[in-house]
Amino acid sequence: ETGVTQSPTHLIKTRGQQVTLRCSSQSGHNTVSWYQQALGQGPQFIFQYYREEENGRGNFPPRFSGLQFPNYSSELNVNALELDDSALYLCASSPGAAGGTEAFFGQGTRLTVV
Amino acid sequence: AQSVTQLGSHVSVSEGALVLLRCNYSSSVPPYLFWYVQYPNQGLQLLLKYTTGATLVKGINGFEAEFKKSETSFHLTKPSAHMSDAAEYFCAVSDHPNNAGNMLTFGGGTRLMVKP
Repeated sequence: ETGVTQSPTHLIKTRGQQVTLRCSSQSGHNTVSWYQQALGQGPQFIFQYYREEENGRGNFPPRFSGLQFPNYSSELNVNALELDDSALYLCASSPGAAGGTEAFFGQGTRLTVV
Repeated sequence: AQSVTQLGSHVSVSEGALVLLRCNYSSSVPPYLFWYVQYPNQGLQLLLKYTTGATLVKGINGFEAEFKKSETSFHLTKPSAHMSDAAEYFCAVSDHPNNAGNMLTFGGGTRLMVKP
């Protein structure tokens, strides 16, 4: 059973550009959540997808958008990148969206905006 | 809105000593509580979680935590620290009981250092 995989592992972008990060959920998991972890801080919830529908959103602007595919893999898109978007982006999958369900995290994508 | 406070951004213990990492939360409904560990350049791994039932929860690697509703706390302990326990530890809360999502609110993290 493969775990949660994210690609790419590292990425450097220029301010104003757009970026797409990808996440393959663990087998049997229909829920994917995305988190942003700035250096030295705890992860912050961006949004969650449950069975291809957005199921909740944190305090992030609309230029952060996402998608979940029929195989439950997911993408995070960020438009008009800003320097403060530099962070580790974590994807987590879970076998459901109910509270208390364990979330399994990928290794993350380290995004640097210059 | 829910929030999590981890007292002490850095904790240093000697190998073999007791580990105590503090976590206090606020939530308007009964919470689900989690402790995750993060090693350098890696994602988060679940150590343990509290959902319902017994308030003393045992996790992996000898860690345990006790849910104290009256104190709104969920402190993490381990009787004897190992060098391999050196990592960043995050406490998290979720208070969505239905399929409204298991979105987690994390604390700021505590870096545990273990001295030989």
